[in-house]
Amino acid sequence: SQQGEEDPQALSIQEGENATMNCSYKTSINNLQWYRQNSGRGLVHLILIRSNEREKHSGRLRVTLDTSKKSSSLLITASRAADTASYFCATDPEGGGADGLTFGKGTHLIIQP
Amino acid sequence: NAGVTQTPKFRVLKTGQSMTLLCAQDMNHEYMYWYRQDPGMGLRLIHYSVGEGTTAKGEVPDGYNVSRLKKQNFLLGLESAAPSQTSVYFCASSMSEFEAFFGQGTRLTVV
Repeated sequence: SQQGEEDPQALSIQEGENATMNCSYKTSINNLQWYRQNSGRGLVHLILIRSNEREKHSGRLRVTLDTSKKSSSLLITASRAADTASYFCATDPEGGGADGLTFGKGTHLIIQP
Repeated sequence: NAGVTQTPKFRVLKTGQSMTLLCAQDMNHEYMYWYRQDPGMGLRLIHYSVGEGTTAKGEVPDGYNVSRLKKQNFLLGLESAAPSQTSVYFCASSMSEFEAFFGQGTRLTVV
């Protein structure tokens, strides 16, 4: 079953604006990861945040994690047309070993030029 | 450095036919995974492997078999394809709980 659920399912903003996507999950985790998927391509890893971390930055990306609420957010600042893609959160369940990440259904982000 | 390579990229099968999808990685990763992606469903884990010679079932294993005879290769087999197996298949590899590296996908249509 799906562990993560992204919100919103779709988001359309103007270039230069900030984009925020949220992810909720159900069980305790070791870490949470965000991936980007351009149309017709494979997923590309963006950022990983461990369960004992609350915030992490990478370039224009900012990720927060609230384990008490079992939720995470991904902020993309100063969006560009090239950021148009689907974004997925993925969780590594606590105690799950190496039995794979569990993905949400994704947020489809469109950046209007 | 090729990363994760999937072959073929596209395939059309008739119901009942069989085929094998090949995944190869050159990063010496221990863990390899097969996912399927369907519209509105995100990615779902079919089978995975934590090392050469080992395989395990994921969330949606029915109708698929896998083999990991060599560390760098992970094969996904469909013995008797069904229309419900029409999907995009992704292979991924990783070192333990760290980031996963994905292939470009195989788009399979079963008619």
